[in-house]
Amino acid sequence: NAGVTQTPKFRILKIGQSMTLQCTQDMNHNYMYWYRQDPGMGLKLIYYSVGAGITDKGEVPNGYNVSRSTTEDFPLRLELAAPSQTSVYFCASSYGTGGGIDEQYFGPGTRLTVT
Amino acid sequence: DAKTTQPTSMDCAEGRAANLPCNHSTISGNEYVYWYRQIHSQGPQYIIHGLKNNETNEMASLIITEDRKSSTLILPHATLRDTAVYYCIVRVDSFGYGQNFVFGPGTRLSVLP
Repeated sequence: NAGVTQTPKFRILKIGQSMTLQCTQDMNHNYMYWYRQDPGMGLKLIYYSVGAGITDKGEVPNGYNVSRSTTEDFPLRLELAAPSQTSVYFCASSYGTGGGIDEQYFGPGTRLTVT
Repeated sequence: DAKTTQPTSMDCAEGRAANLPCNHSTISGNEYVYWYRQIHSQGPQYIIHGLKNNETNEMASLIITEDRKSSTLILPHATLRDTAVYYCIVRVDSFGYGQNFVFGPGTRLSVLP
């Protein structure tokens, strides 16, 4: 299994441009998540999905959109990029079965700079 | 979800046990304690979790106090590869509930040769 893969690894955007960060998992996990991590800080949840066709906002959803058309893929869309969106973006997935056994598996991250 | 407080940084000698504390004084009865770590710029990695009993796996041990207001992650024989930021997280784990993990700033553990 490749686990959770993210593309691209690095990207520089100009203010106002748009892009999509790709995330794919091959573990047949139900739950998927997008986090952002600013320098020296912890992670903040942007959006999450509990299954194909179902998404919900996390702590910091403004400026982002997501979709979940398949179990495997959970792309994150940035519209009208702003310098405040300069960050490292992590995608994660988990089985989502509850009961205290649900660990999240993280991808390697996408480092985004908006100038 | 309950908030946690952790020391900003800690040092540990290679080969010694690393004991990382976490306070979660407002934890409720159905909240679990999770530990993750983040090595350099990689994605976080799950270490261990527990509800009220002490837990051990191949990576670490988790000791939770009887009143559940604090816990300690123990790396029994720290190596240089254990240098990382360690996150203590408490949350409810209910079926069908969004798995909203709140990652704070964590503890930066430096294992020294």
